Amino acid sequence: AQKITQTQPGMFVQEKEAVTLDCTYDTSDPSYGLFWYKQPSSGEMIFLIYQGSYDQQNATEGRYSLNFQKARKSANLVISASQLGDSAMYFCAMRLLTQGGSEKLVFGKGTKLTVNP
Amino acid sequence: KAGVTQTPRYLIKTRGQQVTLSCSPISGHRSVSWYQQTPGQGLQFLFEYFSETQRNKGNFPGRFSGRQFSNSRSEMNVSTLELGDSALYLCASSLGGDIQETQYFGPGTRLLVL
Repeated sequence: AQKITQTQPGMFVQEKEAVTLDCTYDTSDPSYGLFWYKQPSSGEMIFLIYQGSYDQQNATEGRYSLNFQKARKSANLVISASQLGDSAMYFCAMRLLTQGGSEKLVFGKGTKLTVNP
Repeated sequence: KAGVTQTPRYLIKTRGQQVTLSCSPISGHRSVSWYQQTPGQGLQFLFEYFSETQRNKGNFPGRFSGRQFSNSRSEMNVSTLELGDSALYLCASSLGGDIQETQYFGPGTRLLVL
């Protein structure tokens, strides 16, 4: 069964430092997409970064980068130069295309990141 | 371009009542998915609609239903509410059909069942 595992319930980082949030996934499908979302206390899920299973290079979006290790089935999010506004829940998700073209996201349990001043 | 909108943002109901939540996707997006988020179960997929057809359904009882209109707006309905239905309900839209496409989420509807 498809599954996303985030082993860090909570992480702390000092402002301006880098932090890595872990994500491992399990699927037998050769084609999949991996996403990271940020969820502030307001509740809205904010898209951060995407990595496709066939992408050769690690994805980057501003201060966010994804450390994609396909053989290890890991897709860790790296946030550089942390800011106070980065304090939030972070979710790793895997997108699968089911039979008939349907799509759904499978989410991990999330990691609560706290950035200290 | 306007983002995904959900109404209402907050809702309080009592057990046994029914509720309808609405989601308007980003213009041009034809796929709308619904998710339930609770502290205990996390984020769980409810169902996905594409061009007015339900393409996929999660493992939820039949009390949870939805539909999509020709303008891609979607509604989900929960009948005979239970205390355990208290949750944040998120909808997400995408163009639909391509694994590379991002699902963009709305702000959610917080439902409290008393």
